[in-house]
Amino acid sequence: QKEVEQDPGPLSVPEGAIVSLNCTYSNSAFQYFMWYRQYSRKGPELLMYTYSSGNKEDGRFTAQVDKSSKYISLFIRDSQPSDSATYLCAMSGAGNAGNMLTFGGGTRLMVKP
Amino acid sequence: GAVVSQHPSWVICKSGTSVKIECRSLDFQATTMFWYRQFPKQSLMLMATSNEGSKATYEQGVEKDKFLINHASLTLSTLTVTSAHPEDSSFYICSGSRGGVLTNEKLFFGSGTQLSVL
Repeated sequence: QKEVEQDPGPLSVPEGAIVSLNCTYSNSAFQYFMWYRQYSRKGPELLMYTYSSGNKEDGRFTAQVDKSSKYISLFIRDSQPSDSATYLCAMSGAGNAGNMLTFGGGTRLMVKP
Repeated sequence: GAVVSQHPSWVICKSGTSVKIECRSLDFQATTMFWYRQFPKQSLMLMATSNEGSKATYEQGVEKDKFLINHASLTLSTLTVTSAHPEDSSFYICSGSRGGVLTNEKLFFGSGTQLSVL
């Protein structure tokens, strides 16, 4: 079993839809949770960064972390065709392990106009 | 945000040759650099971690003699794929960390290098 599980998709939605992307994980030591967006043949771009459980909102993006369920989510409101990309969740532990990211496999999102 | 510049963005080489990929942190000092490999439609797999002035730490299954990593300064790290073979064809991505309080660090990624070995 992988440490971080993420549905690979593809997830196809119409423009303007609310998108829900999710990851589950097994390592209870993870403290920091991130969502990256990656366009084809480009490096990942950090979208959201959260610590421990709770919600964080930034514009059209909302990240949720439920440590009790080992489940994290990224919501995209009013999705746009430019949001079409692969979304990677990533997480890390505390202390010296804080820099070591464990990535999910990525979910490919397609937003159709 | 911080910028990590990675070059080249793509390279095609003949089997048996060596290829060097550079990553530079442009506006911060990257005390730690991470090198990842990504196959099509798969996630990033960590290859090695390098701290400035130290030998790199390689993940299990990654040949250190084949993937040479140099992190001689706080702003430059290089990955050299030696005697490249077609199975080394992949997308290679670096990321840099500022250092300091590790628990609050966010990694900054380069734009990646697509290596194709003929």
